[in-house]
Amino acid sequence: QVQLQESGPGLVKPSQTLSLTCTVSGGSISSGSYYWSWIRQPAGKGLEWIGRIYTSGSTNYNPSLKSRVTISVDTSKNQFSLKLSSVTAADTAVYYCARATLGVVILWGQGTLVTVSS
Amino acid sequence: DIQMTQSPSSLSASVGDRVTITCRASQSISSYLNWYQQKPGKAPKLLIYAASSLQSGVPSRFSGSGSGTDFTLTISSLQPEDFATYYCQQSYSTPVTFGPGTKVDIK
Repeated sequence: QVQLQESGPGLVKPSQTLSLTCTVSGGSISSGSYYWSWIRQPAGKGLEWIGRIYTSGSTNYNPSLKSRVTISVDTSKNQFSLKLSSVTAADTAVYYCARATLGVVILWGQGTLVTVSS
Repeated sequence: DIQMTQSPSSLSASVGDRVTITCRASQSISSYLNWYQQKPGKAPKLLIYAASSLQSGVPSRFSGSGSGTDFTLTISSLQPEDFATYYCQQSYSTPVTFGPGTKVDIK
């Protein structure tokens, strides 16, 4: 059974780069036709789609974050990653990694809280 | 971007009640509409995809309908474990967008 697990610093200073990794276990990140995605949720608020990387390596980003976001995949480690630059307090949120098929998010990680604060 | 709205933003209901949540898209999204349930401190869980298809393992009291711009999620008989926040999401185009959520709590 495929599972996803986010990892990375829980505290990031303003203006720095937030870096998170999602480790895929129980299956290969290269198999199937999936979109490996990042979604975030500020405390008490709704869900915001950050972007995704396809099995082929092609990416799509939310235009609202596009200038600051990079999503990449490391097939040798069965991981995909998120980098969000120039963070501010508004980037404080629970970050989820997820696996989607044609935009439908079927599998989610448990989420990791990232706080932006000095 | 396609904007998603939901109504109501919250509702109070009793066990056994029939509950209906509506979702509206700012433009036609055909049937590319999905519903998720989220409980506090947990990741969302897919309930309905493609507007009306029940995800495997989801109880049949959940159903979805609609196409184009207007959609509904119905819980036929609310159970204690159904108290949660429900989100609609369009997967018609990127950026994927979610509705603001509907919180269902106990009356």
